Amino acid sequence: SQQGEEDPQALSIQEGENATMNCSYKTSINNLQWYRQNSGRGLVHLILIRSNEREKHSGRLRVTLDTSKKSSSLLITASRAADTASYFCATDQGGGNKLTFGTGTQLKVEL
Amino acid sequence: GAVVSQHPSRVICKSGTSVKIECRSLDFQATTMFWYRQFPKQSLMLMATSNEGSKATYEQGVEKDKFLINHASLTLSTLTVTSAHPEDSSFYICSAIPGIYGYTFGSGTRLTVV
Repeated sequence: SQQGEEDPQALSIQEGENATMNCSYKTSINNLQWYRQNSGRGLVHLILIRSNEREKHSGRLRVTLDTSKKSSSLLITASRAADTASYFCATDQGGGNKLTFGTGTQLKVEL
Repeated sequence: GAVVSQHPSRVICKSGTSVKIECRSLDFQATTMFWYRQFPKQSLMLMATSNEGSKATYEQGVEKDKFLINHASLTLSTLTVTSAHPEDSSFYICSAIPGIYGYTFGSGTRLTVV
């Protein structure tokens, strides 16, 4: 399977803490994206990082990419209860814009 | 921003019947759309790439006759699950790439076959 892997599978933190999720993939990529999915809902695009970029910020989100290790991390700072969701990384390997999704991390932020 | 509308959001059907799911790009044209399937607490698996005016491209292991895809216009792709069985119960999601806006996903369809 070409599917990427994420860890941890599940993460439970207190509101205000930071949450870090990691993603590993198997092939060379054009870009890597992070998505959020609330239970039973569609996906929301969070951030895209290109293969020639190493770090990117968007609000409380920070994404890093290490193409030599084929890995990426998503950091959510100052987490809120509303951040509770599943987070997926997805890679664009250049084959017709198809995305390959990671296994996902279920984040729970408790009050 | 670009919006992809997916209908229905939930459908329950009897085993042996067919179900059609629609995916519409509301404010942009989409020559290509993608259909994914997601089992509970699992990731999304690409089923097929829908191409306007031509045949869909299916991923390995996906039955073409089971999951019929039609992309008859630049704003509409449909996925028909034919002769549905309980094992087809799943969450189906479509997506499109509206140019500079990046990837946009529909809200998904929860299919339950009883």
